[in-house]
Amino acid sequence: GAGVSQTPSNKVTEKGKYVELRCDPISGHTALYWYRQSLGQGPEFLIYFQGTGAADDSGLPNDRFFAVRPEGSVSTLKIQRTERGDSAVYLCASGGGTDTQYFGPGTRLTVL
Amino acid sequence: GENVEQHPSTLSVQEGDSAVIKCTYSDSASNYFPWYKQELGKRPQLIIDIRSNVGEKKDQRIAVTLNKTAKHFSLHITETQPEDSAVYFCASQKAYKYIFGTGTRLKVLA
Repeated sequence: GAGVSQTPSNKVTEKGKYVELRCDPISGHTALYWYRQSLGQGPEFLIYFQGTGAADDSGLPNDRFFAVRPEGSVSTLKIQRTERGDSAVYLCASGGGTDTQYFGPGTRLTVL
Repeated sequence: GENVEQHPSTLSVQEGDSAVIKCTYSDSASNYFPWYKQELGKRPQLIIDIRSNVGEKKDQRIAVTLNKTAKHFSLHITETQPEDSAVYFCASQKAYKYIFGTGTRLKVLA
C-alpha cells in the first residue's frame, strides 16, 4: 500500500512569505506527527494529531506556525512570515495504533 | 526537559567489523525505543525497536539492548557492510511523544 506522502518535495520561498506544506498519511492511521529536521540533527517534534485534533502542539516554535487536520486524514503545516531560520526539512509521520510511526519523504524548505 | 543523548556522532569501521551506537534517555517513564536509519536525502526508516519490558532484541545482524536502570540503550550491528553506511537515530517514546537523538553518521569502509 501507499506510504506517507508529502508535497511539495522542495519549496523555495522569500523571507516574509507564507507557505503550506501538505502531508498525506497512511490510510486509516489516526496519529499524525510533524517534525522539523535541521542539517546534522535528529527530527524535532512540532505537533501531534490524534484524529482531527491537535493533541500536543508544544513543539511549534512560535505563533507563525500552525497545523490543521480537518478531516482526520490529510494535514497541512502553515508557516506565516517565513524567516531564514525556518529553512529545514519538514517531516511528517503517521501511526496506526501501535508504537511504530512511518515517515514521509519530507519537504525541504528554503527561505531566501 | 526530556532529552536523548547519542554517541558517537561519527563512527568509521572496516567492512566486516561491528559497530555500536549508544543512547541515554532522561525520562524514566519512557517505554519504547526505536532506531531509525536515514540515508542521504531520504526518509528515516525504522530498523529495530525495543520496549521497556524487554532487555534485548535481535534481528539478523542488528541487535538492540536496553538497560532501564541506567536509562541506556544501544544499537549493535555485526558484520557491517558498505550499505550499512548512513545516519542512525535513536529515539525514546513516552505516551505518544518521541524524542530523537542527534544521530550517528556510520561509515563502513570497504
